[in-house]
Amino acid sequence: GAVVSQHPSRVICKSGTSVKIECRSLDFQATTMFWYRQFPKQSLMLMATSNEGSKATYEQGVEKDKFLINHASLTLSTLTVTSAHPEDSSFYICSARDREDRGYYGYTFGSGTRLTVV
Amino acid sequence: GENVEQHPSTLSVQEGDSAVIKCTYSDSASNYFPWYKQELGKRPQLIIDIRSNVGEKKDQRIAVTLNKTAKHFSLHITETQPEDSAVYFCAANRDAGGTSYGKLTFGQGTILTVHP
Repeated sequence: GAVVSQHPSRVICKSGTSVKIECRSLDFQATTMFWYRQFPKQSLMLMATSNEGSKATYEQGVEKDKFLINHASLTLSTLTVTSAHPEDSSFYICSARDREDRGYYGYTFGSGTRLTVV
Repeated sequence: GENVEQHPSTLSVQEGDSAVIKCTYSDSASNYFPWYKQELGKRPQLIIDIRSNVGEKKDQRIAVTLNKTAKHFSLHITETQPEDSAVYFCAANRDAGGTSYGKLTFGQGTILTVHP
């Protein structure tokens, strides 16, 4: 089945620094990847849609200059949280879409990244 | 855009009882409805899904029903076990290509607790 790998699983950073999170599709090619944010005891909120070879599409209210997304290949998308602040502390999780659209493998989720900004 | 409402927010049952979680959606063009189980600190795991051309789907103790006219779908878990305790999310998607390609809108989640 489809496997999505996400790294790191946990990261603690100082306020004002930047953090990069990677999302990789291991056994399929992903034209599209999705980045979600989940605050404690809340639902998953879509932040942006990452499209291979083109600019990401951000949801309303998400700062594109703060959350930089790069989808340079069909198997890798990265989310960089720039100038992180404590309110950015959250669980970030990616989901990848199978380029071949084999069933709905594209909704497979990565293992998530717990970001804590101190 | 799509809006998904999920109820109840918490559900407590005794082992062996049934549990039902309900969701409504707003976009009549939505055509794919997955249910996810998420344990604390872990990724959501797909447990069952249904597409708009089907009214009901069952997989062992889990079933999902869809009423397109009323725009609601439900998750049914029978013979609940303590290991079913988790947060359950419903979601909806209008997989018609274009800008809505693959976007899942999630419900608020239901914390299910199964007491031994």
